[in-house]
Amino acid sequence: DAGVIQSPRHEVTEMGQEVTLRCKPISGHDYLFWYRQTMMRGLELLIYFNNNVPIDDSGMPEDRFSAKMPNASFSTLKIQPSEPRDSAVYFCASNQGGGRNGNTIYFGEGSWLTVV
Amino acid sequence: GQQLNQSPQSMFIQEGEDVSMNCTSSSIFNTWLWYKQDPGEGPVLLIALYKAGELTSNGRLTAQFGITRKDSFLNISASIPSDVGIYFCAGGVSGNTPLVFGKGTRLSVIA
Repeated sequence: DAGVIQSPRHEVTEMGQEVTLRCKPISGHDYLFWYRQTMMRGLELLIYFNNNVPIDDSGMPEDRFSAKMPNASFSTLKIQPSEPRDSAVYFCASNQGGGRNGNTIYFGEGSWLTVV
Repeated sequence: GQQLNQSPQSMFIQEGEDVSMNCTSSSIFNTWLWYKQDPGEGPVLLIALYKAGELTSNGRLTAQFGITRKDSFLNISASIPSDVGIYFCAGGVSGNTPLVFGKGTRLSVIA
């Protein structure tokens, strides 16, 4: 079974540009998470969805960040306009939720964003 | 919110040495997980612990779920160069709430 698939793997963009990161969760998983990783702050949870519905977006840093999950197999994280301090690795992760194994989440390979 | 204190932040060790790292919390968790992140990749699950006191091994890795439910440790025996990476602990309360992650232990192995 394919793991969590993210695109693009790497992106370099100019300040002020719009950035869209994409994620395909593992088939059958009903939870999807977006994380941001920086050296200073480690892994930060930005937002998570259950059955395509946003449950908690309190980790989204600013209104410049938005996330959608139009269906069970696709989610986007958008930054508009981007700023240099948004440079980080953005991870998407998914899990089945509930039960003994419900906490075990599976990460994608990440989208490495550099804003210059 | 809940926080995990993971230590040490970084380690430089000689190949063949054993490694120990741990996570502590002021809150109780029902699940403890250990992930490893290779350079340029996403975190990958190493060991999952579901019961207080549980001791689980995966090859050269051994992890324990503390009896108080507020801590966990990970040991790596006879380290090798491919053990290099960032190790994260994560605590879970229920299957329907997000994991809480530690800030990671960055491991460097000197051949």
